[in-house]
Amino acid sequence: AQSVTQLGSHVSVSEGALVLLRCNYSSSVPPYLFWYVQYPNQGLQLLLKYTSAATLVKGINGFEAEFKKSETSFHLTKPSAHMSDAAEYFCAVSDRGATGGFKTIFGAGTRLFVKA
Amino acid sequence: DTAVSQTPKYLVTQMGNDKSIKCEQNLGHDTMYWYKQDSKKFLKIMFSYNNKELIINETVPNRFSPKSPDKAHLNLHINSLELGDSAVYFCASSQEDRAYYEQYFGPGTRLTVT
Repeated sequence: AQSVTQLGSHVSVSEGALVLLRCNYSSSVPPYLFWYVQYPNQGLQLLLKYTSAATLVKGINGFEAEFKKSETSFHLTKPSAHMSDAAEYFCAVSDRGATGGFKTIFGAGTRLFVKA
Repeated sequence: DTAVSQTPKYLVTQMGNDKSIKCEQNLGHDTMYWYKQDSKKFLKIMFSYNNKELIINETVPNRFSPKSPDKAHLNLHINSLELGDSAVYFCASSQEDRAYYEQYFGPGTRLTVT
């Protein structure tokens, strides 16, 4: 079964600083990986996804992530944090369920705080 | 124009009651899901339907019964509600049942059982 591990349940950065949210995956096959963001009292929305086309994936709102097979990592970065980036971020991987359908396995989430 | 909508947004009820949550998507997607998010923000899949057919059924109590009358709708009925059912329930959809398609989430239904 596939899984993802997010390192750090909380990350705090200053406005304008680099954002780095860590995600490691475990997969026996080439994975499909996703980053989602959840703003307070809202549903999740996709930031970006890796589908093996390119190892560096650019997403919305200036975020990007790099797939590193040797490190089994898919860390999310943004060069300069903005107050509006404060949210919960989820790394996720697709996995096949016992009955054949696909399901998304989510990490535990990382809460990003941005200080003025 | 909301892509994935859920009703109600908030649901407060007493133990032992039966309640339903409705979900609709207007994206023309084939696959729909129900997720449960607990108080620690942990998100776990409950069910998945593809073209009205149940394809994912995780270890969820039998008190939870999903129903998909058509591709655009997926409802969740919960019998004999328990305190532990308190959570936020999210509906989601994806274009097809394929590993590389992302999911589109509804705004969530916050269920509180007292």
